[in-house]
Amino acid sequence: DQQVKQNSPSLSVQEGRISILNCDYTNSMFDYFLWYKKYPAEGPTFLISISSIKDKNEDGRFTVFLNKSAKHLSLHIVPSQPGDSAVYFCAVHTGTASKLTFGTGTRLQVTL
Amino acid sequence: GAGVSQSPRYKVAKRGQDVALRCDPISGHVSLFWYQQALGQGPEFLTYFQNEAQLDKSGLPSDRFFAERPEGSVSTLKIQRTQQEDSAVYLCASSWTGNQPQHFGDGTRLSIL
Repeated sequence: DQQVKQNSPSLSVQEGRISILNCDYTNSMFDYFLWYKKYPAEGPTFLISISSIKDKNEDGRFTVFLNKSAKHLSLHIVPSQPGDSAVYFCAVHTGTASKLTFGTGTRLQVTL
Repeated sequence: GAGVSQSPRYKVAKRGQDVALRCDPISGHVSLFWYQQALGQGPEFLTYFQNEAQLDKSGLPSDRFFAERPEGSVSTLKIQRTQQEDSAVYLCASSWTGNQPQHFGDGTRLSIL
């Protein structure tokens, strides 16, 4: 039973354009949402997070949007850069359980 | 170093052998987590410590898996009588508290032959 789904295994975007990565979850008890970026042979690196009391959080080129009614989360990267090429994981947890539940990841390739 | 450190980076063992994986969290981080990542999947939770107390071990797949953090800092994940399905990347993460963003090490890639 996959509680967190990233339905696009891969995405290719031109440099300078917007990258939009999507994530859906099933449990309405989740109240904290995170995005991680992972390069090959390295551990995931924290990018940005959002709590359920907000619907948008922005940090530089990265913006996370949360639609609680749709149980949908998205990460926007503007403008996309070649160094953004990596696998992106969304992760969720509830306030009472510290463990993270991850999606299966989306591989982003930013082309020149 | 400033980040989470894991050793060894790579471990090859024969089926049936015991292995021990080490994690040095970021100094001062109270919370420590272990995850298992299979090829093409996201990390899956194994266990969680707050200081030396193991508060959640619901993700450990069998009683062959054991984790400890005796002094509330370094943690060891031990796998006894390894099997081929144990082959995976084992990730350690730490955070100031359970609800802060977790910072991950680069993992130990375990291969069971």
